[in-house]
Amino acid sequence: SQQGEEDPQALSIQEGENATMNCSYKTSINNLQWYRQNSGRGLVHLILIRSNEREKHSGRLRVTLDTSKKSSSLLITASRAADTASYFCATELETSGSRLTFGEGTQLTVNP
Amino acid sequence: GAGVSQTPSNKVTEKGKYVELRCDPISGHTALYWYRQSLGQGPEFLIYFQGTGAADDSGLPNDRFFAVRPEGSVSTLKIQRTERGDSAVYLCASSLVGGGGLEQYFGPGTRLTVT
Repeated sequence: SQQGEEDPQALSIQEGENATMNCSYKTSINNLQWYRQNSGRGLVHLILIRSNEREKHSGRLRVTLDTSKKSSSLLITASRAADTASYFCATELETSGSRLTFGEGTQLTVNP
Repeated sequence: GAGVSQTPSNKVTEKGKYVELRCDPISGHTALYWYRQSLGQGPEFLIYFQGTGAADDSGLPNDRFFAVRPEGSVSTLKIQRTERGDSAVYLCASSLVGGGGLEQYFGPGTRLTVT
């Protein structure tokens, strides 16, 4: 079964609004990463947050990590139509080295 | 610079046939990963190479699947006696070094369809 579970499965918003996606996981991690995927093909890395970090920013992206709750959130501010994509969280587990375990993703649609 | 490339982009094969999928990682990246993604799902790990050796092949679903990386750069994923359930997008990724803690750079994938 997947380590990560994203919530919601699908999200539809208007341009300019903020989008928040959540990810929960089950076992201890070294780090958690967020990826974006367009059209079911290659993934693009967005942010990596380590287990001893609580928040990271990159442009319009903000990621938080709560290891006590085993959860993370990805916030996209001032969304654009070009942000429409699937977003996946992926965990690097303490017990499994550098392999990534992905959730099932959130499909974000930003309407112009 | 060039990213991760995968060939072919699409492959249609008949049930029972043998297929090879190729991955060219980013030059200088020592770690290479194969993942498989079914429709509507997140990618699932198959195998990880550090240099020429398979450091973790625990994700290979059965012995019909095999991967090599003989010179520590290009990798080939080989599937024998393909089954319809093997249909998926096969993704390759590389990172500068193995051992974790680094982002992985993904290729565009090979869409395999077994008829």
